[in-house]
Amino acid sequence: NAGVMQNPRHLVRRRGQEARLRCSPMKGHSHVYWYRQLPEEGLKFMVYLQKENIIDESGMPKERFSAEFPKEGPSILRIQQVVRGDSAAYFCASSPTRENTGELFFGEGSRLTVL
Amino acid sequence: GQQLNQSPQSMFIQEGEDVSMNCTSSSIFNTWLWYKQDPGEGPVLLIALYKAGELTSNGRLTAQFGITRKDSFLNISASIPSDVGIYFCAGLSYNTDKLIFGTGTRLQVFP
Repeated sequence: NAGVMQNPRHLVRRRGQEARLRCSPMKGHSHVYWYRQLPEEGLKFMVYLQKENIIDESGMPKERFSAEFPKEGPSILRIQQVVRGDSAAYFCASSPTRENTGELFFGEGSRLTVL
Repeated sequence: GQQLNQSPQSMFIQEGEDVSMNCTSSSIFNTWLWYKQDPGEGPVLLIALYKAGELTSNGRLTAQFGITRKDSFLNISASIPSDVGIYFCAGLSYNTDKLIFGTGTRLQVFP
C-alpha cells in the first residue's frame, strides 16, 4: 500500500550540474503535480502532468527546468545547470482523477542543496 | 497572481488550549482545503470544504468555508503535542487545475 514515492530524499549538486528528481504516484493515480518549497515558505505550483502529457506548466521557470511523465516509469523533474537559488524541497503529489478536487497525496519530498 | 494570506504566521500555545487560524484571499475559490506538514515530511490533507458557508469537522479539527468564498478558518480544540507542525490552507478555483497554497501557520505546542 505504497504512497507517493520520491527519490532521492536528499540531493547535493554543485553549480552547473544537473539534478533529476523522480516521483512514482500512488497506485492507480495518473495525475502528477510538482511543487517547490523554499525554506520557511509555502508550496509553489510548478507543473501538472498526466501520462505522456504536460497539462499545465505555468509555474515552471522557462529555462533549465523540465518535467515528464512517460507511459512507463516515474515522473521526472529535471533541473539543468543548477544554481544556488534552486536549493529547495521539491514535492510531488498525485491524484486519481482528472477532476481536480484539490485532494492531493504528497510524497515526502526531495531536498536539493546546491553548493 | 492569486495569493492566500494566512494568520497568524506562528503560534506558541500550551497543551490543552484551543487554536484558531485563518486564511484570506483577494480571489474567489470554489474549494478550500487545509493541509498539515510535519517537519521533514510532505503535506497531508486534513479537511476539504466544497460549499460556501460549509462547516466541517474531523476529530478535534473544525474548518469553515467563508460565505464570500474568499476566506476560511481552521480551529483545533484541546491541542496536544502532536499537533505541532505547519498548517497550510489551499484554494482551488473553477478555471484552474492548480492548487494554490497559503503562506502557512507554524504551530508549537508546549506541554
